[in-house]
Amino acid sequence: GDSVTQMEGPVTLSEEAFLTINCTYTATGYPSLFWYVQYPGEGLQLLLKATKADDKGSNKGFEATYRKETTSFHLEKGSVQVSDSAVYFCALTLNTGNQFYFGTGTSLTVIP
Amino acid sequence: NAGVTQTPKFQVLKTGQSMTLQCAQDMNHNSMYWYRQDPGMGLRLIYYSASEGTTDKGEVPNGYNVSRLNKREFSLRLESAAPSQTSVYFCASSEPGTRANYGYTFGSGTRLTVV
Repeated sequence: GDSVTQMEGPVTLSEEAFLTINCTYTATGYPSLFWYVQYPGEGLQLLLKATKADDKGSNKGFEATYRKETTSFHLEKGSVQVSDSAVYFCALTLNTGNQFYFGTGTSLTVIP
Repeated sequence: NAGVTQTPKFQVLKTGQSMTLQCAQDMNHNSMYWYRQDPGMGLRLIYYSASEGTTDKGEVPNGYNVSRLNKREFSLRLESAAPSQTSVYFCASSEPGTRANYGYTFGSGTRLTVV
């Protein structure tokens, strides 16, 4: 079936460090891929997306590239800030069906 | 601001009590969803409504019922709460045909504790 696997957390980084959160997927069709971010006490917000292979999604300094050959959509940021502390969810949806499939989430804490 | 509104934000129930979680969206979306979020398990779909007048079970529907009251509102009911239903509940909406491009819009969640 369709699913998303993302790296276990929690992740703790110092400010200005490089961030990678790994995400791989399994899909029966041609999915769109997303990263959502959840700040403490809030709902999920769309961070970035990519709708086809080789697309790069980017927002707020975060990037992820849709890699069909490795079925991956890893999230990266070159220099994290304390304000990036949050839980990050990788997700996919297909043009068929009615739902998203979410990973388990990766908690990121950035320390000054 | 346009978006998804959930009420209440927090609730404590005793085992066996009932309650309804409310969700309303003002984006004219056709599809609405209820998810629960538990540590280490991500988000799991409880029920969804692809359009007004339809509802379908998701991955974890047992112990829940839903009502799509109109296009704007989608409520989740716990008839007899159990401690296993302690969770954070999120409502979301999307427009079919644009979900793959724009994703979901989420509410801010309801944190429910069943004692």
